[in-house]
Amino acid sequence: EAQVTQNPRYLITVTGKKLTVTCSQNMNHEYMSWYRQDPGLGLRQIYYSMNVEVTDKGDVPEGYKVSRKEKRNFPLILESPSPNQTSLYFCASSPAGLDGYTFGSGTRLTVV
Amino acid sequence: AQKITQTQPGMFVQEKEAVTLDCTYDTSDQSYGLFWYKQPSSGEMIFLIYQGSYDEQNATEGRYSLNFQKARKSANLVISASQLGDSAMYFCAMREGHFNKFYFGSGTKLNVKP
Repeated sequence: EAQVTQNPRYLITVTGKKLTVTCSQNMNHEYMSWYRQDPGLGLRQIYYSMNVEVTDKGDVPEGYKVSRKEKRNFPLILESPSPNQTSLYFCASSPAGLDGYTFGSGTRLTVV
Repeated sequence: AQKITQTQPGMFVQEKEAVTLDCTYDTSDQSYGLFWYKQPSSGEMIFLIYQGSYDEQNATEGRYSLNFQKARKSANLVISASQLGDSAMYFCAMREGHFNKFYFGSGTKLNVKP
């Protein structure tokens, strides 16, 4: 089944404790991206990647890191999480061009 | 300026009636794509419909159609014959030209009444 898999689905952590949210796609898509969703703000792009070793900042990159060492994987790293990073996070992938994204199921992160 | 504007935070529609969800966009690119996604209460993002900036015909997918008015920069979603399962959050989105920036509106929460 073609899908984007992100883990974990739910995560509660403490301020300052490094964490990684994994994302993997099995559709051989070039593009991958991370979003955060907050009430009233829709989805905002954190980082995106156009291919292996090619990444760029989205609209809200502060406090996040990404890497794209393999085409299928695009982990999101929070080196020192803070409570304002409490949010619902989505990973998504798409082929090149103007096609839409396929989204993962989301990761609900709470930082206390 | 907002790239995608959805001015209806919430809407109600009677079951079996049609409903239009508004979306306006802002871009100077000639090449772009417009999308609508549905997010039910379970949280997943479901792709509904796509319209390319060069497409002359309005996109349709089953009960969904996209009313594309390029000069007005609007991309309204029309859902015909609403069903209870259509109750969800709906997001309009745009992907610009050669860049991988993908912008979302703030969403419209649709409630379908029996």
